[in-house]
This record gives sequence, C-alpha cells and structure tokens, in this order.
Amino acid sequence: KQEVTQIPAALSVPEGENLVLNCSFTDSAIYNLQWFRQDPGKGLTSLLLIQSSQREQTSGRLNASLDKSSGRSTLYIAASQPGDSATYLCAVLTSGTYKYIFGTGTRLKVLA
Amino acid sequence: GAGVSQSPSNKVTEKGKDVELRCDPISGHTALYWYRQSLGQGLEFLIYFQGNSAPDKSGLPSDRFSAERTGGSVSTLTIQRTQQEDSAVYLCASSFEDTNYGYTFGSGTRLTVV
Repeated sequence: KQEVTQIPAALSVPEGENLVLNCSFTDSAIYNLQWFRQDPGKGLTSLLLIQSSQREQTSGRLNASLDKSSGRSTLYIAASQPGDSATYLCAVLTSGTYKYIFGTGTRLKVLA
Repeated sequence: GAGVSQSPSNKVTEKGKDVELRCDPISGHTALYWYRQSLGQGLEFLIYFQGNSAPDKSGLPSDRFSAERTGGSVSTLTIQRTQQEDSAVYLCASSFEDTNYGYTFGSGTRLTVV
C-alpha cells in the first residue's frame, strides 16, 4: 500500500530565502507525481507534474525533482515571497492505479 | 468549462439533514474523483467515475454517502442524515482517461454540520 509522507509539516522562512520541501513515498513503482498548492479555504492548484521517466520539472521559481529508486521528490522554491505562503501537497499515482495518494502537506509561511 | 466547478462553495446544515454537492468537470475529461479533506487531515479518496464503467466506491465511509454521474459529465455527491463528523471540505477533480496529465481540482465545498 502506497504511503506518502511530507516533511516538515510546517515551515517559516524570511522573504528571499531558497527552500526545499520534501516528499517521500514507499512504493517506487509510480506512474507520476504531482505537486499542488492549497491556499486557506481554497481548492488545490497544480504546480508541477513529473512523469516516472523524468528527473525534474521546472516552472518559474519552482523546480521539482524525482528520485524513484529512493522514493523521494523535492520541491525547490527560489527567492521565496510572502505570496508563496500556502500549504504544499505532494500526490503520487502508483502504476496500475488511478487514485492519487496524497501526503498531509507542508504549511509554508514566508515572512515579509 | 474552463475549470472544474463545484457548488455550493459553502454549506451549513443541521445534523440529520440530507445534502447534495455538485461537481461539473472540465469538458472532455472522462474521469471524475471525489475527495474529502477534514480539518488538519490529508485528502481522503471517496469515489471515482470513469466513462461508462462501474464507479469505484471503495472510499465511501458509510452507506449514508452516495454519488452519481449523469451523462458522463456532472456528478452529485449526496450525504444522507448528516453527522457532525461529516464536516469537511469536499473536493472534486477531473482528468483525461490517461492520468498522464494529472488531476485538475475544483475549489471545493466546505460543509459544516451543526
């Protein structure tokens, strides 16, 4: 059974700092992995999707990496801004399934 | 439509009443999912629809919960005899049959049972 863990649960950083959010999963036979952002009281916004054959994806100040063999993904945020404050969720789609399994998220606060 | 649309955005109901939550997926997306997010918890899978196939209802927490999808498009999640523990955000997502492209989520319905 796939389990997804995100560490840390919460993170507070000063504006401008580069930061890394971690996601680990127990079953390395994945189809793809998706990073989402959730603002308080809102739905989920897709940030990056990495296929199992890829090692990283980039969008603006965001870079997501994938290491299937070690069951890890990281989301790198460069030059953080207060507007980046949100909860970041990692979701894994295991091969042969159709349901994403979600981590419990990292709550990020970027201080001005 | 341009995105996944959910209604209502907020619902307050009395314990014991029935509620209906609606999801309108992205046009062309054949797969539709319902998830539940309780306070401080991760997303919990509820049900999955794919085209005309029988839905995967394995995540529904009790027989008070049911869902249907009419014409392969709009879906309704119904909770009968609501309980306080049903209070949560109910999120709907849709995708192409090939989840190669990932999910797109709606903005959710916040249900509060008082």
